[in-house]
Amino acid sequence: GDSVTQMEGPVTLSEEAFLTINCTYTATGYPSLFWYVQYPGEGLQLLLKATKADDKGSNKGFEATYRKETTSFHLEKGSVQVSDSAVYFCALGGQGGKLIFGQGTELSVKP
Amino acid sequence: DGGITQSPKYLFRKEGQNVTLSCEQNLNHDAMYWYRQDPGQGLRLIYYSQIVNDFQKGDIAEGYSVSREKKESFPLTVTSAQKNPTAFYLCASSPREGRSYNSPLHFGNGTRLTVT
Repeated sequence: GDSVTQMEGPVTLSEEAFLTINCTYTATGYPSLFWYVQYPGEGLQLLLKATKADDKGSNKGFEATYRKETTSFHLEKGSVQVSDSAVYFCALGGQGGKLIFGQGTELSVKP
Repeated sequence: DGGITQSPKYLFRKEGQNVTLSCEQNLNHDAMYWYRQDPGQGLRLIYYSQIVNDFQKGDIAEGYSVSREKKESFPLTVTSAQKNPTAFYLCASSPREGRSYNSPLHFGNGTRLTVT
């Protein structure tokens, strides 16, 4: 069945460092792909999305490109801030209206 | 402002008791979902509903029940049959877009349930 695999955390970076969080997926067809962010004690918020191959989603300095050939959707940011500390979830849109999530990657940014 | 309201934020129950978690949305979304979040396991789908008076089991429905009598409400009952109910529960909604899924989910802020 469909699945999403993310790199394990926690990821600890210094402020202004470059961020990459890897995400790969297995799916039938061509699902939409999403990145969500969860701040402590809160629900998830949509960060960005891509609906077809080679699409690039971007928001708040974060980017991810839908790569069909490598079945990947890696999240990147050129310069992280302390306020980016959160848990990041990669997800794909499955059949029947279901969203399938990766296990989440915790990011901690130190000043 | 439109959104999803989950209440209460923290809930404590004794083992063997049923408990109902509230989820209300004013986004006029057709579809609603319940997820369970455990540390290191991401989110797992419990139940979902794409239309009033209809719902489907997700991946971990055992020990849970839901109802969808109104479009804006999708309460989740954690029954005494759920073997490990302590978790963070998230409700979400989205517009219904047929059989494929392209719309993002809107999440509530969750309810943390502790059963002792």
